[in-house]
Amino acid sequence: EVQLVQSGAEVKKPGESLKISCKGSGYSFTSYWIGWVRQMPGKGLEWMGIIYPGDSDTRYSPSFQGQVTISADKSISTAYLQWSSLKASDTAMYYCAGVTGGAFDIWGQGTMVTVSS
Amino acid sequence: EIVMTQSPATLSVSPGERATLSCRASQSVSSNLAWYQQKPGQAPRLLIYGASTRATGIPARFSGSGSGTEFTLTISSLQSEDFAVYYCQQYNNWPQLTFGGGTKVEIK
Repeated sequence: EVQLVQSGAEVKKPGESLKISCKGSGYSFTSYWIGWVRQMPGKGLEWMGIIYPGDSDTRYSPSFQGQVTISADKSISTAYLQWSSLKASDTAMYYCAGVTGGAFDIWGQGTMVTVSS
Repeated sequence: EIVMTQSPATLSVSPGERATLSCRASQSVSSNLAWYQQKPGQAPRLLIYGASTRATGIPARFSGSGSGTEFTLTISSLQSEDFAVYYCQQYNNWPQLTFGGGTKVEIK
């Protein structure tokens, strides 16, 4: 079964760093773009960026460029989304999703990130 | 950046009725458009890609149409499990992807 399994919920303070993960299984991880999508509480979906684990080619939405870092470790079939200094406005659900032909066809279960002092 | 605009924001429909959701692109996206369904507390699910091709396992009551800048998602006869939020997403401007703001389909 093709699936993406994300790391668990996080509660952090402003200014702290964080790295969340997305582990793929059931397919060739290096041959499938992985994207990250933010959903703030009660709001819609926002595309953040994508990575091709085969060569770590990474692209960002202009809205998120410089705000987060997307990476992948193909040896363990895992993609990452990280922040160096969290803000309260980073509080959101974050989804990873596999991309086929441009559409997100497989989704992780989501990771809730709460940033509060 | 291509802006995707969905209308209406909320659609009130009775079970068994047809629902028609719209998505407009600020410039042509050809047929490079997908639709997703999201239920409360769940991750989104791909319904339609290529503007009109149903994803695996999606019931035939869901259909997509359109090309260029105007797209429609039609649910022919709403079932209780179809009440959810629906999003469109363009991928013509790969790798810059954008979602619409969503349409909530609620029970009338």
